[in-house]
Amino acid sequence: DVKVTQSSRYLVKRTGEKVFLECVQDMDHENMFWYRQDPGLGLRLIYFSYDVKMKEKGDIPEGYSVSREKKERFSLILESASTNQTSMYLCASSPDRGRNGYTFGSGTRLTVV
Amino acid sequence: QKEVEQDPGPLSVPEGAIVSLNCTYSNSAFQYFMWYRQYSRKGPELLMYTYSSGNKEDGRFTAQVDKSSKYISLFIRDSQPSDSATYLCAMSAYLPGGGADGLTFGKGTHLIIQP
Repeated sequence: DVKVTQSSRYLVKRTGEKVFLECVQDMDHENMFWYRQDPGLGLRLIYFSYDVKMKEKGDIPEGYSVSREKKERFSLILESASTNQTSMYLCASSPDRGRNGYTFGSGTRLTVV
Repeated sequence: QKEVEQDPGPLSVPEGAIVSLNCTYSNSAFQYFMWYRQYSRKGPELLMYTYSSGNKEDGRFTAQVDKSSKYISLFIRDSQPSDSATYLCAMSAYLPGGGADGLTFGKGTHLIIQP
């Protein structure tokens, strides 16, 4: 089975800190995605990448950046964390942009205080 | 109008009941349809997918797609307390060459199966 691993299950950071969320997949998928999930708002796409060193903005990229230096790793960066970025962050990967679905990681619950 | 509409619930039913979960969509280009199950504080996991109208069955789960009405359903027979979770529908448009144009998700329905 494809495995998508997110480095942390729970994180607590202070306002203004630079935060790195790491995601690694082990099935050579070209496509990787970062979402945040909030009650009542569902999944919202932050950034995605279709290849190494490629990145595309999703629906809510403000306050975030990403890095994909290797095919298996996709990092989400909060340049200066704010309390409104407290959320569940989900990484996903896919071989075919969704024809057969995405595989999600277990999520990182980030709290910014 | 949102592309994918899904009632957030919560939907509470007694154990053993048949559950019906539904999504409607507006984009006629959607060709691939999926259902995800998400337990509390976990990531979504793919439950079923289909790319044609009609029914697809897998154990106690049946996915139904009606492209003419732009309506998809997930039925759960003999529901169990372990089925309590949030269920998200997802769909994708076809791209020339056989690919897909990324997934559009519903917001999810919170399902509670009462023992």
